[in-house]
Amino acid sequence: GENVEQHPSTLSVQEGDSAVIKCTYSDSASNYFPWYKQELGKRPQLIIDIRSNVGEKKDQRIAVTLNKTAKHFSLHITETQPEDSAVYFCAARGGFKTIFGAGTRLFVKA
Amino acid sequence: NAGVTQTPKFRVLKTGQSMTLLCAQDMNHEYMYWYRQDPGMGLRLIHYSVGEGTTAKGEVPDGYNVSRLKKQNFLLGLESAAPSQTSVYFCASKAQLDTEAFFGQGTRLTVV
Repeated sequence: GENVEQHPSTLSVQEGDSAVIKCTYSDSASNYFPWYKQELGKRPQLIIDIRSNVGEKKDQRIAVTLNKTAKHFSLHITETQPEDSAVYFCAARGGFKTIFGAGTRLFVKA
Repeated sequence: NAGVTQTPKFRVLKTGQSMTLLCAQDMNHEYMYWYRQDPGMGLRLIHYSVGEGTTAKGEVPDGYNVSRLKKQNFLLGLESAAPSQTSVYFCASKAQLDTEAFFGQGTRLTVV
């Protein structure tokens, strides 16, 4: 079955710096890769997603890159702000299942 | 616009008791999922459904059962609760496989 590994588990950056979170997946048939943000005590919410026919997608300060050959995908947040502090989850869809990574807790220090 | 609603929000069970968690969505979504969230382990898929009357096992199905008798509802049952099932449970639904999953607000379950 699909397995998704996410690194790092914790990331601390200074406000204004960039943050990068990396994920790898095991199922080469996976073709949809969403990223979710979960603030403390809240439900996860989609922030960006990418499909396998695209190598990169950007939405304002966030971008996602996908390398299907290496089975890697990454989330990039530029010009980080304190409100970016949250837990971020990557995920991969193989078949009917969407499997999540273990999450990255991002701290943005003002 | 309610989206995905979970009932109850909090529950404390004694070991061996049973309970049912209800997930209701008003978006006419075909796909529904139950996840559990534990510290450091992310969201792990328990069971899922690809349409009314269908259910399938996810990554961690043992100790849980589900039913999808109506399209809008997905029930998660614990027949004999164990302390290892202490967790936050999230339900999610999506319209199509490669679209956003909408999550409920979560149910915090403690088994003592």
